[in-house]
Amino acid sequence: AQSVAQPEDQVNVAEGNPLTVKCTYSVSGNPYLFWYVQYPNRGLQFLLKYITGDNLVKGSYGFEAEFNKSQTSFHLKKPSALVSDSALYFCAVREGAGNNRKLIWGLGTSLAVNP
Amino acid sequence: DTEVTQTPKHLVMGMTNKKSLKCEQHMGHRAMYWYKQKAKKPPELMFVYSYEKLSINESVPSRFSPECPNSSLLNLHLHALQPEDSALYLCASSQLGSPYEQYFGPGTRLTVT
Repeated sequence: AQSVAQPEDQVNVAEGNPLTVKCTYSVSGNPYLFWYVQYPNRGLQFLLKYITGDNLVKGSYGFEAEFNKSQTSFHLKKPSALVSDSALYFCAVREGAGNNRKLIWGLGTSLAVNP
Repeated sequence: DTEVTQTPKHLVMGMTNKKSLKCEQHMGHRAMYWYKQKAKKPPELMFVYSYEKLSINESVPSRFSPECPNSSLLNLHLHALQPEDSALYLCASSQLGSPYEQYFGPGTRLTVT
């Protein structure tokens, strides 16, 4: 079975500093990996995905993620954090085939960007 | 239009009530999803519809009954819920085939009294 782990419940970073939110995965076959963000009292928003190709994936709002096959990681990064980036971040991996595809979610990492 | 809409935004219901949650998308997506989410937790998949047919039911209690009247609409009928069913209910949609991302609605905040 596919799984993802987010080893940090909470990440704190100062505004203007680079941020990293960590995700590791365990899959059989090719990994299809996603990052989503959830702002308070809102639905989830897609940030970016890795399917194949370049290991550095660029996404929405200036975020990017680095796929590392040897370390089975897919960490989310941003060069300069904004207070408005404070939110709950979820990593997910696709499982299944055909019409039975679904996402397996990490437990989430709460990011707090301090002014 | 990349929007998924959900109504109502908030719902308070007693344990003997019957209510419905509604979801709509006009992106031409042929997969639609219902999730339940507790505070600060990941969403839990409940149901998946593919081409308007139920393709995944994650062993959800029968007091939750999904319906997909057409390719743009998804309903979740609620009956005889328990207080522990109080949560944010999220609808999502996606294209089928390759690992396409899911687009989420803002959710319905359900409170069962």
